[in-house]
Amino acid sequence: RKEVEQDPGPFNVPEGATVAFNCTYSNSASQSFFWYRQDCRKEPKLLMSVYSSGNEDGRFTAQLNRASQYISLLIRDSKLSDSATYLCVVNPVYRGYNKLIFGAGTRLAVHP
Amino acid sequence: EPEVTQTPSHQVTQMGQEVILRCVPISNHLYFYWYRQILGQKVEFLVSFYNNEISEKSEIFDDQFSVERPDGSNFTLKIRSTKLEDSAMYFCASRDKRVGEQYFGPGTRLTVT
Repeated sequence: RKEVEQDPGPFNVPEGATVAFNCTYSNSASQSFFWYRQDCRKEPKLLMSVYSSGNEDGRFTAQLNRASQYISLLIRDSKLSDSATYLCVVNPVYRGYNKLIFGAGTRLAVHP
Repeated sequence: EPEVTQTPSHQVTQMGQEVILRCVPISNHLYFYWYRQILGQKVEFLVSFYNNEISEKSEIFDDQFSVERPDGSNFTLKIRSTKLEDSAMYFCASRDKRVGEQYFGPGTRLTVT
């Protein structure tokens, strides 16, 4: 089983749509979770951390289900500028040095 | 806003040559990382560095790789004898004392011919 699994997409949605991405992780001892965004041939950029109680940042909502080892990202009112690859990232804390384990990413294309 | 910087943005080298990729992490950060991403594949962890020593490394980070923090600002990745399969985007990242969030530099695209 892969450490972090995501649906590769692509998700093709019109502007204004709501889109949800899912992710599962295999290491139940994982401590921290993130969504990063990556534009083509660019660096991953932190979109948001994911907390156990769920958290929201503007149009973005992240949820974590530790029992199911499942993470989600919801984007409301999609914009053209949201087109990117969304990376589910897990931090299996080990001796505190915090390497990140990346999923392969889910590609989102928002069209007019 | 402080950011991680990397040089060069693109490096072309011949197989067997040594390359040094350079990074300047965010100034108050204490933990430093290198990751790589082969075209079309996921981002993979290479090595983490703290308190002037390697804290963890992946299977990819073999004897051909080394890291160094030669002064108070730079963090380098050296590949001693490059192979074709080393062609990838190499990202440097850094973190402050808080758990988790890492900030990435723009990357160096390494092409080995």
